[in-house]
Amino acid sequence: DAGVTQSPTHLIKTRGQQVTLRCSPKSGHDTVSWYQQALGQGPQFIFQYYEEEERQRGNFPDRFSGHQFPNYSSELNVNALLLGDSALYLCASSLPPGTEETQYFGPGTRLLVL
Amino acid sequence: AQSVTQLGSHVSVSEGALVLLRCNYSSSVPPYLFWYVQYPNQGLQLLLKYTSAATLVKGINGFEAEFKKSETSFHLTKPSAHMSDAAEYFCAVRPRGQNFVFGPGTRLSVLP
Repeated sequence: DAGVTQSPTHLIKTRGQQVTLRCSPKSGHDTVSWYQQALGQGPQFIFQYYEEEERQRGNFPDRFSGHQFPNYSSELNVNALLLGDSALYLCASSLPPGTEETQYFGPGTRLLVL
Repeated sequence: AQSVTQLGSHVSVSEGALVLLRCNYSSSVPPYLFWYVQYPNQGLQLLLKYTSAATLVKGINGFEAEFKKSETSFHLTKPSAHMSDAAEYFCAVRPRGQNFVFGPGTRLSVLP
């Protein structure tokens, strides 16, 4: 049973650049959520995608955007990168909103902004 | 807004000793409650969850947690620590219909 996968594992960018991170959900899941985990902190919810639409959003600026594809995979895009965007970005998948409540996490993409 | 408090950013125990990691949440309506573990340079792995069934929840690797509504707590315990338990532990709440809110985490060190 394939778990949640993310790519790339590591990424280095410079301020002002744009980045795209990718996530494939666990087999049987159709809902994808993205989290940002700064060093030494707990994950912070960015947004959730279901049926190719953004369903919920946390307190993140519009520089953070996403997309979900028909095969349920998802992308997180961050524009105009800031030094403070350096973090571990985690993707989590689950069953549709309102059903089983557990989210399963991928290994994350570590982004360093210089 | 929902919040999660984890008392103690770093806890050290001796191998074989009791592990107790504390978690308190702020909510008038009991949410879903979770404990996740994160090993270095890895994602989060689900340890256990409370979803309004039994108040004492058993998870993987010998961990368990007890939901106490009156104390708005969901503390994690393990009777006997093992070296492999050294990791970061996160308590999370999920209010119904909303997304996860994570605590700041507790780093567990296990001393030989």
